[in-house]
Amino acid sequence: DAGITQSPRYKITETGRQVTLMCHQTWSHSYMFWYRQDLGHGLRLIYYSAAADITDKGEVPDGYVVSRSKTENFPLTLESATRSQTSVYFCASTPRRDTQYFGPGTRLTVL
Amino acid sequence: DQQVKQNSPSLSVQEGRISILNCDYTNSMFDYFLWYKKYPAEGPTFLISISSIKDKNEDGRFTVFLNKSAKHLSLHIVPSQPGDSAVYFCAASGRTGSTLGRLYFGRGTQLTVWP
Repeated sequence: DAGITQSPRYKITETGRQVTLMCHQTWSHSYMFWYRQDLGHGLRLIYYSAAADITDKGEVPDGYVVSRSKTENFPLTLESATRSQTSVYFCASTPRRDTQYFGPGTRLTVL
Repeated sequence: DQQVKQNSPSLSVQEGRISILNCDYTNSMFDYFLWYKKYPAEGPTFLISISSIKDKNEDGRFTVFLNKSAKHLSLHIVPSQPGDSAVYFCAASGRTGSTLGRLYFGRGTQLTVWP
C-alpha cells in the first residue's frame, strides 16, 4: 500500500538500551522528518532529511542519530535511551517544502 | 523560542456553532501556513493551508484567515460537529534560510464539540 508507515507502533525499553524506530514511505518524497510529541510541547522536530545521504538537526537532536541511505527509509536511533525520551514519535514526508504527510506514530516508553 | 504560538490549549464548542482556533507567529520569513488535525493514537493529518499572498482560504466547513500585519491566523469551523473533536496544530514554513523545507508547529489546541 502507498503511504508512510512506522514500526514498531509500540515499544517498551530500558534506560541505556539502543532503540531504532523505522520509517518507510512509498511516495519517493525527497524530504523526511522525525518529530516527537510531548504534552505541553506540541510537535518538535528532531531531525530531517532533504534527500538520501543529506540530514540535518532540528530543535531537539541530542541523544538521537539518523541515517538515510535510501530515499524511502529514514530510521531514527536512540543510542542510549533515557526516560526523557519517552514520547510519541512521528515520521513525516513531503515532495516539496510545504504539506507534510505523517505516519501513525510510535509510542516509546523508556523504563 | 517558539515561533508559532497557539495560546489556547483547549476550546469547547456546542455542536452547530462556530469554532475559532487562533495562531500567532513571530518569524516574518514565514510565507505558508497550515492546519493539521490529530485524533488520539493517529498521526496528524493535513486539513487546510494558506499562502501569504492570500488572506482567506475556504474548504467546505473550514476557512483559514491570515492577517499578515498582525502575524495572526485563525481557523474557522462552521458548523462544528462532534467528529471535529481533536487536537488542531497550526504550522508555518518559509522559503529561505533555516525555515526552508521545515514546518514550525504550535503546541496545539484541543477542540471539544459537544452535542
